[in-house]
Amino acid sequence: DVKVTQSSRYLVKRTGEKVFLECVQDMDHENMFWYRQDPGLGLRLIYFSYDVKMKEKGDIPEGYSVSREKKERFSLILESASTNQTSMYLCASTVGQGDSYEQYFGPGTRLTVT
Amino acid sequence: SQQGEEDPQALSIQEGENATMNCSYKTSINNLQWYRQNSGRGLVHLILIRSNEREKHSGRLRVTLDTSKKSSSLLITASRAADTASYFCATPQGGSEKLVFGKGTKLTVNP
Repeated sequence: DVKVTQSSRYLVKRTGEKVFLECVQDMDHENMFWYRQDPGLGLRLIYFSYDVKMKEKGDIPEGYSVSREKKERFSLILESASTNQTSMYLCASTVGQGDSYEQYFGPGTRLTVT
Repeated sequence: SQQGEEDPQALSIQEGENATMNCSYKTSINNLQWYRQNSGRGLVHLILIRSNEREKHSGRLRVTLDTSKKSSSLLITASRAADTASYFCATPQGGSEKLVFGKGTKLTVNP
């Protein structure tokens, strides 16, 4: 079974802190994603990586950066956390068969910025 | 870049009843996927239906796709309390590996 793990289930940080969210997958997937999920807004894509050291901005990249130094690990970085970044963060990776890309999700990190 | 929109936003039924959720989307797609999310957890892939398929089954799940109406439905038969979750449809963004998710239908199955 594919396993996607995230470093923390719950995280509380202060405004202005630099925050690292880690995601690891164990199935050698090329593609990895970071989403945030907020009530009434659904899932929104922050960043996407299609290979090591390769990244692409999603719909809401402002205030975030990412790092992918190894294939299995995709990190989301909040350079200077703000209260409006309080959210549920979900990491996912994909296995593709032709043109169909089923995504596998981690359990999520609920981040609170105070 | 919202693509899929689920309907209804919330649904409450009794155990044993069937639950039907709908998804509408805007642009042409080559597949549509349904995911489930238990409260406070990650999403789990349920089923994928391709654009050349009209109906697909997986256990108690039945998914239909009508490309002429740009809509899909997810039917859960003989629902159980454990089916209580949010259900999302997702479609590929521009034929890429990226998916665009709807806002979900929150299903509550009462014992």
